[in-house]
Amino acid sequence: KNEVEQSPQNLTAQEGEFITINCSYSVGISALHWLQQHPGGGIVSLFMLSSGKKKHGRLIATINIQEKHSSLHITASHPRDSAVYICAVPSGGGADGLTFGKGTHLIIQP
Amino acid sequence: DTGVSQNPRHKITKRGQNVTFRCDPISEHNRLYWYRQTLGQGPEFLTYFQNEAQLEKSRLLSDRFSAERPKGSFSTLEIQRTEQGDSAMYLCASSGGGIAANYGYTFGSGTRLTVV
Repeated sequence: KNEVEQSPQNLTAQEGEFITINCSYSVGISALHWLQQHPGGGIVSLFMLSSGKKKHGRLIATINIQEKHSSLHITASHPRDSAVYICAVPSGGGADGLTFGKGTHLIIQP
Repeated sequence: DTGVSQNPRHKITKRGQNVTFRCDPISEHNRLYWYRQTLGQGPEFLTYFQNEAQLEKSRLLSDRFSAERPKGSFSTLEIQRTEQGDSAMYLCASSGGGIAANYGYTFGSGTRLTVV
């Protein structure tokens, strides 16, 4: 089964800073998910990507399939970006669910 | 369609009581997933349905847990004889894809269970 490691676990930055969150996984995949979870608990899907790079507004996600590594970047960070960012990959081994990282707790201070 | 809906949002129950949660997925999605998330951890897979068939169950799903999806629409997750260790956020997600993990998921807002 796939294992997911995220770093850092906690990140505090000043408004406007460029943010990078990293995700590594153990088993080759065909797609990786980046999710955002706010304190209320609801999860929003940000990206699903299988190669290269995707951009949505100030968010950029990249993946290197050979290295089994993905990064989520936030440009011009803002306090409203404060949330937990979670990386998830297919569990593998015939399982149809996702295996999630523990998440990166991001706080952007004004 | 307003997305994946979960009810209730919060549930406080006494140890030993039974609780039931409901998830209404996106109507055209044939796959429905239940996950459990404890504080400071990422969600963990519990079970999934394709239409009305429960195709996979995690070993996290003890015999006190049962999930159903009659008619392949909404799903319920019941926990019998709740224990304090059951306190968690229970998340539901749905997907319409063939190989679901390669398709987008839509998550509900979750049901936060507190067992006192």
